[in-house]
Amino acid sequence: EADIYQTPRYLVIGTGKKITLECSQTMGHDKMYWYQQDPGMELHLIHYSYGVNSTEKGDLSSESTVSRIRTEHFPLTLESARPSHTSQYLCASSGGLSVAYEQYFGPGTRLTVT
Amino acid sequence: KNQVEQSPQSLIILEGKNCTLQCNYTVSPFSNLRWYKQDTGRGPVSLTIMTFSENTKSNGRYTATLDADTKQSSLHITASQLSDSASYICVVSDRGSTLGRLYFGRGTQLTVWP
Repeated sequence: EADIYQTPRYLVIGTGKKITLECSQTMGHDKMYWYQQDPGMELHLIHYSYGVNSTEKGDLSSESTVSRIRTEHFPLTLESARPSHTSQYLCASSGGLSVAYEQYFGPGTRLTVT
Repeated sequence: KNQVEQSPQSLIILEGKNCTLQCNYTVSPFSNLRWYKQDTGRGPVSLTIMTFSENTKSNGRYTATLDADTKQSSLHITASQLSDSASYICVVSDRGSTLGRLYFGRGTQLTVWP
């Protein structure tokens, strides 16, 4: 079982609200990722980080922002939630130097914006 | 365009039966191929990782095969159990960056009936 945690697990919020999805890992991994997944669809990378103070945008354009102030913590923020942001958000982490490193996923946050 | 295609989209089998899930990819260059199991409402969990030189790998009742020449992989599940009901996702990584970019399939939704 991977030691990566996400809170909240479920969130229903109104349009225009600011939200922060939390992700933390206790494995000391340097790399962390945020993915977005809609039902029946593939995961899309929206943000990633190589380490502290390093953040990059992924393949899928997202209005969210991330920060990496501590190794173990990688929160995702939506300044103004919209119904189009309704989705499942998965956080993952990985460590090690090999290209074939393992990515460990958190349980996900299911976000519904009304 | 780098893609990962999985078939079938969904599959229903009876408990105790075997099944095989397919994955075709066009990702190039190729680094490794992974199979993940994703239970409903949870994050994906890794089953196997195979590099270019490996053509089969087992993890309990799960056996993955890889044909790097035809760019095909399969996941065989033996003596299925109710707990095998989940989405099985094929993920391919390229060598193109230090990130080891991942390409996700949409998954095969497996349902095991008693």
